[in-house]
Amino acid sequence: SQKIEQNSEALNIQEGKTATLTCNYTNYSPAYLQWYRQDPGRGPVFLLLIRENEKEKRKERLKVTFDTTLKQSLFHITASQPADSATYLCALDGPHGGADGLTFGKGTHLIIQP
Amino acid sequence: NAGVMQNPRHLVRRRGQEARLRCSPMKGHSHVYWYRQLPEEGLKFMVYLQKENIIDESGMPKERFSAEFPKEGPSILRIQQVVRGDSAAYFCASSPRAGATYEQYFGPGTRLTVT
Repeated sequence: SQKIEQNSEALNIQEGKTATLTCNYTNYSPAYLQWYRQDPGRGPVFLLLIRENEKEKRKERLKVTFDTTLKQSLFHITASQPADSATYLCALDGPHGGADGLTFGKGTHLIIQP
Repeated sequence: NAGVMQNPRHLVRRRGQEARLRCSPMKGHSHVYWYRQLPEEGLKFMVYLQKENIIDESGMPKERFSAEFPKEGPSILRIQQVVRGDSAAYFCASSPRAGATYEQYFGPGTRLTVT
């Protein structure tokens, strides 16, 4: 079955630096990959979606890359701020071509130190 | 435009009781997904519904769990005879169309505690 791996340890970054989060997947070739942000006690919030034929996607201070050869996505936050502290989830489309839900990684907890 | 609404936000049930979780999708959204999040675990897909139809329930336990999305009213996730292992956060998400091309909008979740 498809498997998604994200850094399980918290990532501590100094304010103003670029935070880079990794999402690796196996046993699957997704057509789409999404990134969500989740704050404690809240539901996930959509950030970015990237398609398999796209190498990179940007939105304000966020950038996502998608390498289908390496089976990896990188999520970057530039000029990081303490307000960016949260858990970031990587999600893939399910194996049924969209006729099912997303498959999520466990998430990486990001802490931006002021 | 109100977001996805879930109620109750917190629900405490004793073992053997029934739990009913409600989800009202965003206006104009006819696709609803339910996910479960256990402590220290990722979100796990349970079931995908469109109005009056269950499209995919492959992630939902075969026994004790059921879901519906009637023509009128919210989507309901029902857990019968709850056990301690059902304690988790249950999230509902909606989208305007099917498929992973579109982002999903999540509700705030219902935190179920089974005592």
